[in-house]
Amino acid sequence: GAGVSQSPSNKVTEKGKDVELRCDPISGHTALYWYRQSLGQGLEFLIYFQGNSAPDKSGLPSDRFSAERTGGSVSTLTIQRTQQEDSAVYLCASSFSPGVVSYEQYFGPGTRLTVT
Amino acid sequence: AQSVTQLDSQVPVFEEAPVELRCNYSSSVSVYLFWYVQYPNQGLQLLLKYLSGSTLVESINGFEAEFNKSQTSFHLRKPSVHISDTAEYFCAVRSGGSYIPTFGRGTSLIVHP
Repeated sequence: GAGVSQSPSNKVTEKGKDVELRCDPISGHTALYWYRQSLGQGLEFLIYFQGNSAPDKSGLPSDRFSAERTGGSVSTLTIQRTQQEDSAVYLCASSFSPGVVSYEQYFGPGTRLTVT
Repeated sequence: AQSVTQLDSQVPVFEEAPVELRCNYSSSVSVYLFWYVQYPNQGLQLLLKYLSGSTLVESINGFEAEFNKSQTSFHLRKPSVHISDTAEYFCAVRSGGSYIPTFGRGTSLIVHP
């Protein structure tokens, strides 16, 4: 079946503008994660959804970052008043409930955000 | 909080040579361990995982990793690499009580002809 999809694949924006990044998880996956990948920094956890609620948003770096998930499916990560340090690849992953022992995350291809 | 250390940021190797990518994690009562691979311009794909049972786990493309509890390590090995193995490799650890895995910074495997 279809994997995790993300859009856009690339986004170039001017400093100070708002951007929205979209993630479509695998159908039936209740858990959804957002990560940020910067060069040489590995994966930085941003936020985790279980269904439509976000029990862990501890990784959001500032109040300019927010995310929502609707219908237990699509999620949108919004960055307001973008700064150059926001430039990175934003990855989305989904999984069945992480309470399942054979837990495995499936990743999308990412959105490469460049703030000029 | 859990931490994961991938000791090598870059590992260059010639084709058909053996390779080991190192991963150490901070101690925890119970852990689930993962290796992911990321090919250029793609998302991460699960390579192999340790959940319980045999401490040696294998992937379908010849990689293997061994869970060593006493050394808190989960090193990835392959006896003979191919050009197509060139990619970024990430080690991830999930503690039994957490829903959020912690990722290492990644190791870039570069296979030369």
